[in-house]
Amino acid sequence: EAGVTQSPTHLIKTRGQQATLRCSPISGHTSVYWYQQALGLGLQFLLWYDEGEERNRGNFPPRFSGRQFPNYSSELNVNALELEDSALYLCASGSGGGRETQYFGPGTRLLVL
Amino acid sequence: GENVEQHPSTLSVQEGDSAVIKCTYSDSASNYFPWYKQELGKRPQLIIDIRSNVGEKKDQRIAVTLNKTAKHFSLHITETQPEDSAVYFCAASRGNQFYFGTGTSLTVIP
Repeated sequence: EAGVTQSPTHLIKTRGQQATLRCSPISGHTSVYWYQQALGLGLQFLLWYDEGEERNRGNFPPRFSGRQFPNYSSELNVNALELEDSALYLCASGSGGGRETQYFGPGTRLLVL
Repeated sequence: GENVEQHPSTLSVQEGDSAVIKCTYSDSASNYFPWYKQELGKRPQLIIDIRSNVGEKKDQRIAVTLNKTAKHFSLHITETQPEDSAVYFCAASRGNQFYFGTGTSLTVIP
């Protein structure tokens, strides 16, 4: 069974540009979570999608957005990039419903110059 | 919302000794508590979890305890080995909302 996949593995952008990150969950999973992990810091919750709908978002500005497709894959979009957006962006998938386990992808390392 | 605090932020132990990492949470409705291990440059991997109807769970050298009354849970690693060196994250969940601790960097000294 394939795990959670993310693309690209690395992304370099300049300030003001937009970044698009992609995530494919484990087959059969309907939930996708996005986290930001800045260097040396913990996991900051960004967004949660389930069954195609945004269910919850963390304390991030609106320029962080995303969507979930009918096949449950997901995109995270970051507009008007700022230097402090440089971080590892992790996607996790879950089977949906309550009290579920999350499985993480390898992450996309975003560098904003 | 939920607030998860994790201590210590760094921990060094001699190989063979035990390591204990503690987390507290604020939302009494949280009912699922996973622990993740993240090695350098790798993704977080679930190592053990516990649900609110259980007080303790053990898997070989790893154990987790939960005190619902005090709202804290702990990770215990016995007979530590150099490959246990990593950052460990605790989390508390209610439904599908997960809140992570800030991580503990564990170093096992050979």
